[in-house]
Amino acid sequence: DAGITQSPRHKVTETGTPVTLRCHQTENHRYMYWYRQDPGHGLRLIHYSYGVKDTDKGEVSDGYSVSRSKTEDFLLTLESATSSQTSVYFCAISDPDGSPQHFGDGTRLSIL
Amino acid sequence: DQQVKQNSPSLSVQEGRISILNCDYTNSMFDYFLWYKKYPAEGPTFLISISSIKDKNEDGRFTVFLNKSAKHLSLHIVPSQPGDSAVYFCAARRIQGAQKLVFGQGTRLTINP
Repeated sequence: DAGITQSPRHKVTETGTPVTLRCHQTENHRYMYWYRQDPGHGLRLIHYSYGVKDTDKGEVSDGYSVSRSKTEDFLLTLESATSSQTSVYFCAISDPDGSPQHFGDGTRLSIL
Repeated sequence: DQQVKQNSPSLSVQEGRISILNCDYTNSMFDYFLWYKKYPAEGPTFLISISSIKDKNEDGRFTVFLNKSAKHLSLHIVPSQPGDSAVYFCAARRIQGAQKLVFGQGTRLTINP
């Protein structure tokens, strides 16, 4: 296992509430990523980080924000959750050496 | 605009035969390609990759072929085993930079006994 822990693993919440998902790694990898997986779309990049306090937007960043205050933690926040954000969220890590990204086991988020 | 496409949502193959999964891409800036395998309730796991300077990479039962002129890659699994039943994602990126992956939609492979 690549030493990636996502929490919570499952969450059900209501529209309009804030939600924060956490990704914790023990591999000391520099790069971290948040993806969402939806039927018919595969995985799509939301935000990524290339170091502490260095983050950038991905393909589907609207409605999401991220923070990375330490190497090991990358937080994804939905400021005001909407039903369209119901999805499975995956965190991934990698290093600048070009090695493949390794993924956590995902968080299943349902917005009612 | 889907830059990476897997046009077969599902594939069923008999145990012991060859499984061939296909992937097409449109962005000529991609120079590194990966295949991931995903079981239910787990994250994708890396399977095999190929850079654009090669046309074939082999790892045990898994071989990836790249046809740059056609912007097409394929994953061959031979012989197919029941444990290969999973969803397979093709992904692409540029070697330089933040290594952001662009994924295809996935193909569900079922190996029948």
